[in-house]
Amino acid sequence: QSALTQPRSVSGSPGQSVTISCTGTSSDVGGYNFVSWYQQHPGKAPKLMIYDVSKRPSGVPDRFSGSKSGNTASLTISGLQAEDEADYYCSSYAASYIYVGFGGGTQLTVL
Amino acid sequence: EVQLVESGGGLVQPGGSLRLSCGASGFTFSIYEMNWVRQAPGKGLEWVSYITSSGSTIYYADSVKGRFTISRANAKNSLFLEMNSLRAEDTAVYYCARVIQTGGFYHYALDVWGQGTTVTVSS
Repeated sequence: QSALTQPRSVSGSPGQSVTISCTGTSSDVGGYNFVSWYQQHPGKAPKLMIYDVSKRPSGVPDRFSGSKSGNTASLTISGLQAEDEADYYCSSYAASYIYVGFGGGTQLTVL
Repeated sequence: EVQLVESGGGLVQPGGSLRLSCGASGFTFSIYEMNWVRQAPGKGLEWVSYITSSGSTIYYADSVKGRFTISRANAKNSLFLEMNSLRAEDTAVYYCARVIQTGGFYHYALDVWGQGTTVTVSS
């Protein structure tokens, strides 16, 4: 059972926007600005897309954005492209996790 | 090129041991905090262990505490994970990953990952 709750799947058409949610509690997502998002293509290693809720590492397109409201964080992908089809995982720090906990992952399908 | 390369995975019987290695290149390994993260077949990511740049502070997930040992050799740009008393539920791809650092501040996020090494625990 994952620490954070994500929808199992989301989908969107090319050019559209999609949002993936990540729900935690006041002890993790709601209590700290330490939410990260990772993209993982099949058979590949995860790739950091967002850290500290809304910061983008160098090289990540600005089509990817992150936000947080209360105990729920969100990853929004605008201008969907075929290569965005992947699994996405959220992560958050919490003292109870010892370091970080991950969400169960969301499969994004580009229709 | 910034790179992490894991090795040491394989098939091991329940109760057995295995030592994973992770070689770093393209960056100053000695100043970065590091982690091991695993992914069971068809499942999500699970954080396993963390170590500071000097090795002075170490954390483990409850699921591996007392059985796994993380260590590093900064002079050899290497990270290790010693795994003992292995169980079927330890079967996974194991990734080493670097903690992102900006302006000397460490964030709770992992910006460089290896390709992973597969550990299979089965009789």
